[in-house]
Amino acid sequence: EVQLLESGGGLVQPGGSLRLSCAASGFTFTKNAMSWVRQAPGKGLEWVSTISSSGGSTYYADSVKGRFTISRDNSKNTLYVEMYSLRAEDTAIYYCAKTWLRGMDVWGQGTTVTVSS
Amino acid sequence: EIVLTQSPATLSLSPGERATLSCRASQSVRSYLAWYQQKPGQAPRLLIYDASNRATGIPARFSGSGSGTDFTLTISSLEPEDFAVYYCQQRSNWPRFTFGPGTKVDVK
Repeated sequence: EVQLLESGGGLVQPGGSLRLSCAASGFTFTKNAMSWVRQAPGKGLEWVSTISSSGGSTYYADSVKGRFTISRDNSKNTLYVEMYSLRAEDTAIYYCAKTWLRGMDVWGQGTTVTVSS
Repeated sequence: EIVLTQSPATLSLSPGERATLSCRASQSVRSYLAWYQQKPGQAPRLLIYDASNRATGIPARFSGSGSGTDFTLTISSLEPEDFAVYYCQQRSNWPRFTFGPGTKVDVK
């Protein structure tokens, strides 16, 4: 079964940092780009970041550029995002998604990040 | 940045009725548009890619059309499980995806 399982969410103070993980199974992780997409409470979907299958190319939304770092460990079939200088507006459910040329065809169940004092 | 707008914001229909959802891009995205369905408390699910191709396992009652700046998602006959929020997404400048604000299909 193709599966993505996020972890690492929680409550963090403004200015703090957090690392999210996404464990993949059921498909050839090393052959697929991966993305993070977030959804603020009661809001729509926002693309956050994408990393190529090798990890050699990374892309970020302007809203997180310079504060978030996406990475992957292909030996562990795991995707990461390190989030720094967190703001209240980063509060959201963070989904990881298997990404191919035509879209995002597998999604995890999401992990919740709350930035609040 | 390519901006997507969706209309209507909410569509109130009864089971068995036809649903027609619209997505408009601020500039041409050719046929590089996808549709996703999201139910409360669940992750999004890919329905349609490249404007008109159904993703694996998606029922034939879902269809997509359009190119350039105007796109449509049609659900030919609403089933109870189809009441959800639908998002369009463009990949014209992959992987810098953008999503539309969503259309909620609810029960009349």
